Amino acid sequence: EDKVVQSPLSLVVHEGDTVTLNCSYEVTNFRSLLWYKQEKKAPTFLFMLTSSGIEKKSGRLSSILDKKELFSILNITATQTGDSAVYLCAVNSGGYQKVTFGTGTKLQVIP
Amino acid sequence: NAGVTQTPKFQVLKTGQSMTLQCAQDMNHNSMYWYRQDPGMGLRLIYYSASEGTTDKGEVPNGYNVSRLNKREFSLRLESAAPSQTSVYFCASSAQGDGYTFGSGTRLTVV
Repeated sequence: EDKVVQSPLSLVVHEGDTVTLNCSYEVTNFRSLLWYKQEKKAPTFLFMLTSSGIEKKSGRLSSILDKKELFSILNITATQTGDSAVYLCAVNSGGYQKVTFGTGTKLQVIP
Repeated sequence: NAGVTQTPKFQVLKTGQSMTLQCAQDMNHNSMYWYRQDPGMGLRLIYYSASEGTTDKGEVPNGYNVSRLNKREFSLRLESAAPSQTSVYFCASSAQGDGYTFGSGTRLTVV
């Protein structure tokens, strides 16, 4: 059974801090790993990673994949209160029905 | 550009009642999905439609039916609602099965 585990489950940081969110996976046929940000409503797409060691970057957010060790990290630098959300990791293991989501990391950024 | 539109946003049903959740996307995506999100369990796939004219079961299809009415629309029907179907439901679409665009969700309570 495919499995995606995110850690920590939740964390609270102060504005300006840097955070690292973790996602480890065990799947039978890896195709891609995706990160989403979920505020009050719908998850919104952040990154898709398919190759090891290549960093994807968008503003203060960045992510990298390690296919040998089966994990990915999402970094957020200089956090702002608007970064408060649940961050979801998902792994596509080869097909429309083969996307497994983790339970998410809840990030709270306090002023 | 609306993206993925779901209706209704909230619904309360009595056990045994039926209802249909509507979903439409305007991005010309081939694939559409229905997920449910429960605390501590992440997003779980109910049904998906890889392309117009096809539908397939996901991880948790029992108690649900779907219809891919055309390329834009994908509906989810609960024939006889049960309290275990209390959840937040998300519709999503994608061009090639990887990065999803989600609707804003339907919060369903079955009493």
